[in-house]
Amino acid sequence: QSALTQPASVSGSPGQSITISCTGISSDVGDYNYVSWYQQYPGKAPTLILYEVTNRPSGVPYRFSGSKSGNTASLTISGLQAKDEADYYCSSYTSTSVVFGGGTKVTVL
Amino acid sequence: QVQLQESGPGLVKPSQTLSLTCTVSGDSINSGGYYWSWIRQHPGKGLEWIGYIYDSESAYYNPSLKSRVTISLDTSKNHFSLRLSFVTAADTAVYYCAREMGYCGGGGCYRQYYFDYWGQGALVTVSS
Repeated sequence: QSALTQPASVSGSPGQSITISCTGISSDVGDYNYVSWYQQYPGKAPTLILYEVTNRPSGVPYRFSGSKSGNTASLTISGLQAKDEADYYCSSYTSTSVVFGGGTKVTVL
Repeated sequence: QVQLQESGPGLVKPSQTLSLTCTVSGDSINSGGYYWSWIRQHPGKGLEWIGYIYDSESAYYNPSLKSRVTISLDTSKNHFSLRLSFVTAADTAVYYCAREMGYCGGGGCYRQYYFDYWGQGALVTVSS
C-alpha cells in the first residue's frame, strides 16, 4: 500500500496559519473519516493531535484543526508558535489496515 | 495514565529474529476494546505500521511483512511482543509499540485506526 502524500516541508512565521495536506485515494482518505494526525519532535515518539479528521484529544490546543475534501485531508495550525516546529504525519484507514504519510517538517521562521 | 515501554536487544544479526516486548502500565492489556500495535520508523523516514494483536487469538499484520511477523500477548505479564524473522539491514529502525483505540458496541468491537498512546521507541540495528 503506498504511503499518503504530504509536502516535505511547510514554514510560517509566528502567529501565522499554515496548512499541511495529506493526499490519498478514494479507498482510504476519500471514503472513510479515519484520518489522524501526529506530531513528532526529534528523537521522540509521535503524539496524537487529531483523530477521525477533526477531533482533538484532551489537552491538544484549539489551534490545531482538521478537515477533509475528497481524497485530501488537511491539518491547519493557527497562531503558529515556536513549539509547533516538529514533524507531522497523517494516517488513514486502508484496505490493508493503516497507512501513514511521508511526514511534513514544519519550520517556524 | 497509560504508559508503554519497549524493551529488547538493540543489535540483531542478519538472518536472525528480532524480538521486542512492550510492557503496558496504567491499564490492563486484557481490558478489551484496544488493539495493541507495533509501528516502526526507518532512520530519517516515515512511519510504517507492522501489525496488531487484539486478544490472544486475533492478530493482523501488514501484508508486506506478514510472512516474517508474529505478535503475541501475555496477559499475566501485561505485555505484548513482536518477533520479526530473517531480518536484513532494511529492518533497521526505531520500533514503537502503541495502543490503537477501538469502539465496542452493537455486539462487537471495531477498530478506530488511531493510536492514542505510544512507547518511547526502541532502536534496533541489524548488523553483523
